[in-house]
Amino acid sequence: QVQLVQSGAEVKKPGASVKVSCKTSGYTFTGYFLQWVRQAPGQGLEWMGWINPESGATKYAQKFQGRVTMTRDTSISTADMELSRVTSDDTAVYYCARRGNYKSGAFDIWGQGTMVTVSS
Amino acid sequence: EIVLTQSPGTLSLSPGERATLSCRASQSVSSGNLAWYQQKPGQAPRLVIHGASRRATGIPDRFSGSGSGTDFTLTISRLEPEDVAVYYCQQSDSSLYSFGQGTKLDIK
Repeated sequence: QVQLVQSGAEVKKPGASVKVSCKTSGYTFTGYFLQWVRQAPGQGLEWMGWINPESGATKYAQKFQGRVTMTRDTSISTADMELSRVTSDDTAVYYCARRGNYKSGAFDIWGQGTMVTVSS
Repeated sequence: EIVLTQSPGTLSLSPGERATLSCRASQSVSSGNLAWYQQKPGQAPRLVIHGASRRATGIPDRFSGSGSGTDFTLTISRLEPEDVAVYYCQQSDSSLYSFGQGTKLDIK
């Protein structure tokens, strides 16, 4: 079945970088865009950006421009999201999600989430 | 950037009642590029409605979506205890996405 399995929880110090991985299975990796969404504790969902696994093209939310990098490795059907210069405000659960083949671009499959904690 | 505003913030209803959740956009959302997600505590979000009115795979028919332009609605016709969750609307415009702040649905 279609699955997105994310890497494990991370604890980082302020100013460091964090990388979260999203391993996909059960479908053609290059056929669907992957999105990254985060959720701070007790807060709502915040869209971060997407990557086209086929071309490697990316689009980032303005808020994260210059701090986020999304990459993919087609040989292992995995996408990564790296966030640099983290602060306590970046403490959140980070999700990858597949954009389904809908005209609306809705996200039909989600990873289980990766908790990133930023603390000195 | 299109801003989505959801109301009410919290909705508390009894089993069997009808729930109506609203999502208003700061500018028109093109071609029904509006989706709704359900998020239960400790879980990832789950797609409920896409294209403003199309139920996602496996979603019961008591869930329905409607609306166009700037005003959209998610309706749950007969509440079940398992519908307790936070519901988020989401839009896509020019390959940029945004979410509403969510409506928390409680069952009395």
